[in-house]
Amino acid sequence: KAGVTQTPRYLIKTRGQQVTLSCSPISGHRSVSWYQQTPGQGLQFLFEYFSETQRNKGNFPGRFSGRQFSNSRSEMNVSTLELGDSALYLCASSIGLAAYNEQFFGPGTRLTVL
Amino acid sequence: GENVEQHPSTLSVQEGDSAVIKCTYSDSASNYFPWYKQELGKRPQLIIDIRSNVGEKKDQRIAVTLNKTAKHFSLHITETQPEDSAVYFCAALYGNNRLAFGKGNQVVVIP
Repeated sequence: KAGVTQTPRYLIKTRGQQVTLSCSPISGHRSVSWYQQTPGQGLQFLFEYFSETQRNKGNFPGRFSGRQFSNSRSEMNVSTLELGDSALYLCASSIGLAAYNEQFFGPGTRLTVL
Repeated sequence: GENVEQHPSTLSVQEGDSAVIKCTYSDSASNYFPWYKQELGKRPQLIIDIRSNVGEKKDQRIAVTLNKTAKHFSLHITETQPEDSAVYFCAALYGNNRLAFGKGNQVVVIP
């Protein structure tokens, strides 16, 4: 069974731009969670989608948004990029809600904001 | 708030020795505590988890212990090997069904 995939793997943007990241979960998984990983801050939860509905949201500004499609693929959007948004963005899929099931992480998208 | 702290932030051990990482959490209602391992340049992977109805769980050389009274849980790695070198993240499930992760612990196994 194929693992979680994320595209693109690397991205360079400038301040003020917007970016869309994509995540394809493991087949059959209905939950997709997004995390921001920065050195020293660990994994910070952004949001979780299950069956096309946002089930949980972390403490990030409204510039961070996401959505999930009927095939469980998910996208994350960051508008008006700031230097501090530079990070590794990881998505993770689970068969059910992340609170009760093992999460399988993707390889991440490395975003650099200049 | 959702707070999970890991100690120490970096741990160096001689190959063959044991490593212990401790995490503390703030919500007494938390009932699920997973540990993820992230090797350099790779994605995090679940290595072991524990639910609040048990105090200890083992899987070969790794074990997790939970002290609900003190609100802390620990990862124990025995007979450490070079492939155990990685960043280890603990997490706790909070009442809003959100997993809060610690900042990670760098374990270095010295051959």
